[in-house]
Amino acid sequence: NAGVTQTPKFQVLKTGQSMTLQCAQDMNHNSMYWYRQDPGMGLRLIYYSASEGTTDKGEVPNGYNVSRLNKREFSLRLESAAPSQTSVYFCASSGKHSGNTIYFGEGSWLTVV
Amino acid sequence: GESVGLHLPTLSVQEGDNSIINCAYSNSASDYFIWYKQESGKGPQFIIDIRSNMDKRQGQRVTVLLNKTVKHLSLQIAATQPGDSAVYFCAETQNTPLVFGKGTRLSVIA
Repeated sequence: NAGVTQTPKFQVLKTGQSMTLQCAQDMNHNSMYWYRQDPGMGLRLIYYSASEGTTDKGEVPNGYNVSRLNKREFSLRLESAAPSQTSVYFCASSGKHSGNTIYFGEGSWLTVV
Repeated sequence: GESVGLHLPTLSVQEGDNSIINCAYSNSASDYFIWYKQESGKGPQFIIDIRSNMDKRQGQRVTVLLNKTVKHLSLQIAATQPGDSAVYFCAETQNTPLVFGKGTRLSVIA
């Protein structure tokens, strides 16, 4: 049981390039989330998907788009990367049987130069 | 306790001592609270949770205390071990995605 799996683990982008972070969960959870974490800061919500077919903005959505491809997968896209998007990105999920407890992936380290 | 800024509050404790990590939450309507542990280079891991109809909950070596009057949450770790060294986050929710505090770094001195 892998839990929440996200790829890539590390990525370096040039300013203006685009990329997609992939996330999949095998816990049959309805809800999925993308957070970013910056040094000395807590986790800030970028976008979330309460259920398959729905997505909503979080605290810091600007510069990002998401796709809930199916119940298992929730991708995060940077259309035109900026240095301010250098961060660690965490995908997470929660389900009916986990209450509001969110389970996290291991993180994706993104550097924009 | 947790605060805004680039530098995380740090708590240093001797191995074997008890640790207390504090958190002031923001929303008086929040009804569910969670503590997470994040080790270096890893994602946050669930430690313990508590609902607003309780003021104390115990797990294995950990206890969470909730004071709704002053919107304060604390995590107590008994007999702190080197493996407890990590950043600890509190999180709150009221049927919305979790809102996280900034975190406290716990350093265990052997």
